[in-house]
Amino acid sequence: SQTIHQWPATLVQPVGSPLSLECTVEGTSNPNLYWYRQAAGRGLQLLFYSVGIGQISSEVPQNLSASRPQDRQFILSSKKLLLSDSGFYLCAWRKREATGELFFGEGSRLTVL
Amino acid sequence: AQSVTQLGSHVSVSEGALVLLRCNYSSSVPPYLFWYVQYPNQGLQLLLKYTSAATLVKGINGFEAEFKKSETSFHLTKPSAHMSDAAEYFCAVSVGLEFSGGYNKLIFGAGTRLAVHP
Repeated sequence: SQTIHQWPATLVQPVGSPLSLECTVEGTSNPNLYWYRQAAGRGLQLLFYSVGIGQISSEVPQNLSASRPQDRQFILSSKKLLLSDSGFYLCAWRKREATGELFFGEGSRLTVL
Repeated sequence: AQSVTQLGSHVSVSEGALVLLRCNYSSSVPPYLFWYVQYPNQGLQLLLKYTSAATLVKGINGFEAEFKKSETSFHLTKPSAHMSDAAEYFCAVSVGLEFSGGYNKLIFGAGTRLAVHP
């Protein structure tokens, strides 16, 4: 069966510090991968998605970047965090041939102070 | 462009009462629609999905949803609420499946927080 893991689960960082959130998927190959952000009291905002190694699509201009160095690994990064980067970050994957549903990781809560 | 609107950011019901969470969609192509549930500090779990087969879709935990094209709706229901149903619920529409290349994403509604009281 397929599983998805992301870490760290909780992170408290000062403004201006770097960020790296990692997500890996097991039990499947060539998945679509996604990063969503959920800010307090708001819905889910798609940040990045990837259809293959090195292929990243950005949905909104922002302080963050994403990379996909391996088929089942997706990394969310920032060189300098802003207060507005605080939120709950969710990684998700999808089978390329499926009907569109995403499967989500456990989430990473980032607090920028 | 495809989008979803969830009516009511908060819904409160009594234990044992009917749960009705509303979702309306906008889509220029036949939509694929989904309901997800999120418990505090957890990821999203798929409840059910509509993929153009039966219009009444049954999901996990006793939930079901009915696709009504004439009303552009996909409301989520459960006949009898349980305390464990208290969570946030998200409706979503799939975008891009009609294109080749694997480009596809889900657009989510703003969510409805369901409270269940004794």
